[in-house]
Formats: sequence, structure tokens, C-alpha cells
Amino acid sequence: NAGVTQTPKFQVLKTGQSMTLQCAQDMNHEYMSWYRQDPGMGLRLIHYSVGAGITDQGEVPNGYNVSRSTTEDFPLRLLSAAPSQTSVYFCASRKGQGRYGYTFGSGTRLTVV
Amino acid sequence: AQKVTQAQTEISVVEKEDVTLDCVYETRDTTYYLFWYKQPPSGELVFLIRRNSFDEQNEISGRYSWNFQKSTSSFNFTITASQVVDSAVYFCALSDLNTGNQFYFGTGTSLTVIP
Repeated sequence: NAGVTQTPKFQVLKTGQSMTLQCAQDMNHEYMSWYRQDPGMGLRLIHYSVGAGITDQGEVPNGYNVSRSTTEDFPLRLLSAAPSQTSVYFCASRKGQGRYGYTFGSGTRLTVV
Repeated sequence: AQKVTQAQTEISVVEKEDVTLDCVYETRDTTYYLFWYKQPPSGELVFLIRRNSFDEQNEISGRYSWNFQKSTSSFNFTITASQVVDSAVYFCALSDLNTGNQFYFGTGTSLTVIP
């Protein structure tokens, strides 16, 4: 059981480049989210999805797009990378809301130069 | 509004000392869930415990214990006889039923256990 799989683990981008962070889960979880982690700021929600075809914005959505065409996959797209998007990105999934906790991927360390 | 506060940014203890990590939360809901996660230096986030708002019993798991007090809106985490492997960032989080998928994380407490 792989859980939540994120790729790549590390990435360096030049300002203005675009890229997609991949996320897949094999637990049949309905809820998936993308967080970014910055020093001193904890985990901030970028976008989330409560099921295939349904996505919504979190706390810091600007500069990112998501889509959820299947239950398993939830890719995060950086449209035009900026140095402010240098961060560690975590994909996470949960079975539902309320009592269900998140299972996290191993993270992607992104540097924008 | 929902909020989780971890006022301790960094804590250092000497190995074998006990240490308590504080977590204070805010919510207007009567039904909610509290969580603790551990993030070791390797970077992954590991689930430690979940507690629902109707269960105020303290929980002990080995050297770990959790004290949930609704009267003070706190869900504190104590590590007894700390070890170097306990060095990590610890996050407290709140989940309720009335704000959809929202899962509120505190900013984390970085614990360093010195050998």
C-alpha cells in the first residue's frame, strides 16, 4: 500500500517557468489537499478537492492551479514560477472530513531562482 | 473562527528530561477533532493521535501522553524521558464538521533533544 505518492522530490525552476507537481493516492480517499510549508508559517492550504471534478481554493491559491479528473490524482500546477514559491510542498489525502486525519506524501522541495 | 496556536516555537531539552508541547485551539463548534503530527528531520509528516471533543480522557502511548482539557481549550502533548529520536517539529491541528475540508494547523513546535 503506497499511500500518497508525490513526484518529484526536488526541483529547481527558473523564474517564469511552469511545472506540475504530481500527487497520487491509492487509498480511495475523497479528500485531497496541497499544502506549502515555509519556515515559521506552518502548513498553509493552497487548494483542495472533496472529490473527482470538485476543487476549491485554500488560504494561498494565487499562482497555482489544480484539477481532479480522477479520485487518485491531484496535480498542482505552477503557472509562472516566482521566487516566492520556493517552498516545500505536501500533498495529503483523507477519507472524509471531521474525524479523519490526513495522510501526507513525502513532500517536494521546490526552489525558484 | 477556528484557530490553533502553538506558542512554543522552539524547545531544547537534554535527553531523558520530560517535555510538554502546548496546543491551544479556538472553535465555536461543539463537535471537533484534534490531532498531533510529527515531522522528523527527514521531512515526512507522521500522524500521532486524534482526539474528539467528547472524549476528555487523557491518553498514554509509551513515553507519549496527551492531556485534553476543554475548559482551557488545550490539547497538550508530553514526552516522558525524551530521546534524541524525538527531535522533530510537532504540529497540532483541528478539524471540525462545519467548515468542509478545513484542517487547521498550528505553526509547529521544533523540539531538539540534546544527547
